[in-house]
Amino acid sequence: GQNIDQPTEMTATEGAIVQINCTYQTSGFNGLFWYQQHAGEAPTFLSYNVLDGLEEKGRFSSFLSRSKGYSYLLLKELQMKDSASYLCAVMDSNYQLIWGAGTKLIIKP
Amino acid sequence: ETGVTQTPRHLVMGMTNKKSLKCEQHLGHNAMYWYKQSAKKPLELMFVYSLEERVENNSVPSRFSPECPNSSHLFLHLHTLQPEDSALYLCASSQDPAGGVNTQYFGPGTRLTVL
Repeated sequence: GQNIDQPTEMTATEGAIVQINCTYQTSGFNGLFWYQQHAGEAPTFLSYNVLDGLEEKGRFSSFLSRSKGYSYLLLKELQMKDSASYLCAVMDSNYQLIWGAGTKLIIKP
Repeated sequence: ETGVTQTPRHLVMGMTNKKSLKCEQHLGHNAMYWYKQSAKKPLELMFVYSLEERVENNSVPSRFSPECPNSSHLFLHLHTLQPEDSALYLCASSQDPAGGVNTQYFGPGTRLTVL
């Protein structure tokens, strides 16, 4: 079957760095997405990786290793507004998104 | 603001009621999606419309009935729901998924409570 695993909850301190991991097993691979979802709001697109390596976008970076079925989202210089859920999703061979359950990130002052 | 709007934002209904959820996208996309989001569970894809034709129906109970009158609007008609249907219902849009990789853009969702 298809499966996406990510931690349920993480806690970090304002100003610090946090890495949210995602591992996947899917039928085919057409890229991996990260979304941010604040409570009661829409998931918003953060990043897309289809090739191995690190993609940097401001304070957020996303890494992919296709051979290991692994990705992480790295958040630097954490701010209180980064408190949210982070959703990992893989696009399979049918171009359908397979979703993880999300990681709730709590930022403490 | 993602360019996808949903109404109502909150809905409480009894098991015998009939109601409809509405989604509208202003992004010029030609594919629209309904997802169900329950606490601590992955998003569940319910329906996909591409170019106003339904292309995906993931074994969703018939008490959920989608309608896509044009590429900008999507409805989810609800009738005789069960308490376990209480969840956040998210609408999303994208370019035609048959065209390859596409990014989905989401609305804020309708929080549905079935009593």
